[in-house]
Amino acid sequence: AQTVTQSQPEMSVQEAETVTLSCTYDTSESNYYLFWYKQPPSRQMILVIRQEAYKQQNATENRFSVNFQKAAKSFSLKISDSQLGDTAMYFCAFIPMYSGGGADGLTFGKGTHLIIQP
Amino acid sequence: DGGITQSPKYLFRKEGQNVTLSCEQNLNHDAMYWYRQDPGQGLRLIYYSQIVNDFQKGDIAEGYSVSREKKESFPLTVTSAQKNPTAFYLCASSPRPDNSYEQYFGPGTRLTVT
Repeated sequence: AQTVTQSQPEMSVQEAETVTLSCTYDTSESNYYLFWYKQPPSRQMILVIRQEAYKQQNATENRFSVNFQKAAKSFSLKISDSQLGDTAMYFCAFIPMYSGGGADGLTFGKGTHLIIQP
Repeated sequence: DGGITQSPKYLFRKEGQNVTLSCEQNLNHDAMYWYRQDPGQGLRLIYYSQIVNDFQKGDIAEGYSVSREKKESFPLTVTSAQKNPTAFYLCASSPRPDNSYEQYFGPGTRLTVT
């Protein structure tokens, strides 16, 4: 069984600052995907970024980037030039990458509530 | 526009009644999922289905039932056996469970049982 841990229940930063959200996970699988999802007040889950475990290069999507440390089982999200619209719950999620494993569903952390102050 | 719809957005029921939450997708995705979200918690998997007429229990299936008679539909029934049914329920889908692991989520249904 997999577990995902987000140790920061809430974070608050000023607009335009850079913020890093932490995520650690535990698994015996060697191949897997990791995701960061954003859940704004509307409660719609929005995919922010994903990382394949077999790729050493860290994923980047515009202002969002990850620091993936496979040996340490760490997957942090960095948001640069933070904006008011980044205010949301952020969830780290894991899914194993074996045949049919994608149908097992995502394992989520408990989330980090990120508040961007004007 | 392609997407996932869940209806209704808010649902109220009396304790002891079964209630069915709707989930429809027009993305032609094979796999569909149901998650439950409680305050201060991440999402937890209730049931999932890879293909029509087949589904598997997730981590918290007790008190729930599902059906998958059509590819585009995956309704969730919350039965009276579910001890704490008040929660936010999210439906998701993915193209194929073994070559695409990204899941697309619906807008969710907030169920309140009193």
